[in-house]
Amino acid sequence: AQKVTQAQTEISVVEKEDVTLDCVYETRDTTYYLFWYKQPPSGELVFLIRRNSFDEQNEISGRYSWNFQKSTSSFNFTITASQVVDSAVYFCALSEAGLTGANSKLTFGKGITLSVRP
Amino acid sequence: GAGVSQSPSNKVTEKGKDVELRCDPISGHTALYWYRQSLGQGLEFLIYFQGNSAPDKSGLPSDRFSAERTGGSVSTLTIQRTQQEDSAVYLCASSLARGQPQHFGDGTRLSIL
Repeated sequence: AQKVTQAQTEISVVEKEDVTLDCVYETRDTTYYLFWYKQPPSGELVFLIRRNSFDEQNEISGRYSWNFQKSTSSFNFTITASQVVDSAVYFCALSEAGLTGANSKLTFGKGITLSVRP
Repeated sequence: GAGVSQSPSNKVTEKGKDVELRCDPISGHTALYWYRQSLGQGLEFLIYFQGNSAPDKSGLPSDRFSAERTGGSVSTLTIQRTQQEDSAVYLCASSLARGQPQHFGDGTRLSIL
């Protein structure tokens, strides 16, 4: 069965600090997808990034960067020079696509509440 | 273009009543998903549609829950004889195909009195 663990529950930083959000996943599939979503106080879930299991190339997009390591089953997310508008709940999610041609439902972690103080 | 649209945004009803929640996915998205978000349980998968078929209903918590999708577009989630534990935010998402990013609606906040 697939599982996503976000061990951190709440993180509070001061504006301009860097912050890393951790995500560890479990799956028996060899083909899967990993996602990060952001849920600001307004409530809507916003897609940030998707990675497939064959693409371990890490990426930087503006202030965001992602570190995917299959060896440790981790998919961590870093915000550089955090801003107050980054305050939100961040969810890591996994979908399996390999063994059974699965439906790619998302299994979410519990989420990390990030508070960025001015 | 328009995103995923859900209605109503809020629904308050008495225990024992039936409710219908509606989802209008992004045009052209063949995959549609329902999830539920509650404080105690986090984000939980309910049901998946590919076109009008529902190949995975494994997340529906009881037989009081049902869903349908018509015309490969709009979906309705129905909860019969509502209970207080059904109180949650019900989220709908759609994607171009499985494995593609799922785009979420703003959800329906359901409160059972």
